Amino acid sequence: AQKVTQAQTEISVVEKEDVTLDCVYETRDTTYYLFWYKQPPSGELVFLIRRNSFDEQNEISGRYSWNFQKSTSSFNFTITASQVVDSAVYFCALTYYGGSQGNLIFGKGTKLSVKP
Amino acid sequence: DVKVTQSSRYLVKRTGEKVFLECVQDMDHENMFWYRQDPGLGLRLIYFSYDVKMKEKGDIPEGYSVSREKKERFSLILESASTNQTSMYLCASGRDGLYEQYFGPGTRLTVT
Repeated sequence: AQKVTQAQTEISVVEKEDVTLDCVYETRDTTYYLFWYKQPPSGELVFLIRRNSFDEQNEISGRYSWNFQKSTSSFNFTITASQVVDSAVYFCALTYYGGSQGNLIFGKGTKLSVKP
Repeated sequence: DVKVTQSSRYLVKRTGEKVFLECVQDMDHENMFWYRQDPGLGLRLIYFSYDVKMKEKGDIPEGYSVSREKKERFSLILESASTNQTSMYLCASGRDGLYEQYFGPGTRLTVT
């Protein structure tokens, strides 16, 4: 079965702290794609990153970085020097080659609160 | 920039009413999706469409129907609204099955 687990329901940090959001996935497929989305209080999900199963290179975009490890089936997301504007719910998601036309499998989300 | 728009941000309807939620995307995407989001349950797929007039059931299609007469527009219909359909409804579109989806701002529907 395909599944995405975000074990951290809520995280609270103080501004400028680094924070890592965990994502563990399950899939039998060898070709799959992983995503992260951000949902700020306004409600709209914002796409952050897409990675395929053959590319295990870590990715950095400004204060955001992603660590993909197939050996542990994890795709973790780190925010460096967090800011209040990073407060949001973050979702990890999975789709796979044999899946139905782009049906994204979402984790339950991690609510991040960054306090000034 | 991809833009997905939804007809209303907030909607209040009465039990038994027929409700239409409209979604429009401007990126010529083949796939369009309707999700509902509830606290503790995350996002759940209601229906999706991979082409005009084509649709497939998602995880929770009961009580809903959809319509896609034009490529850019995907409608969600609640035939007879019930209080357990009070939720946030999110529309999304995407290129094909393996690419990211882009979401609209959501419609918060309250059924009283």
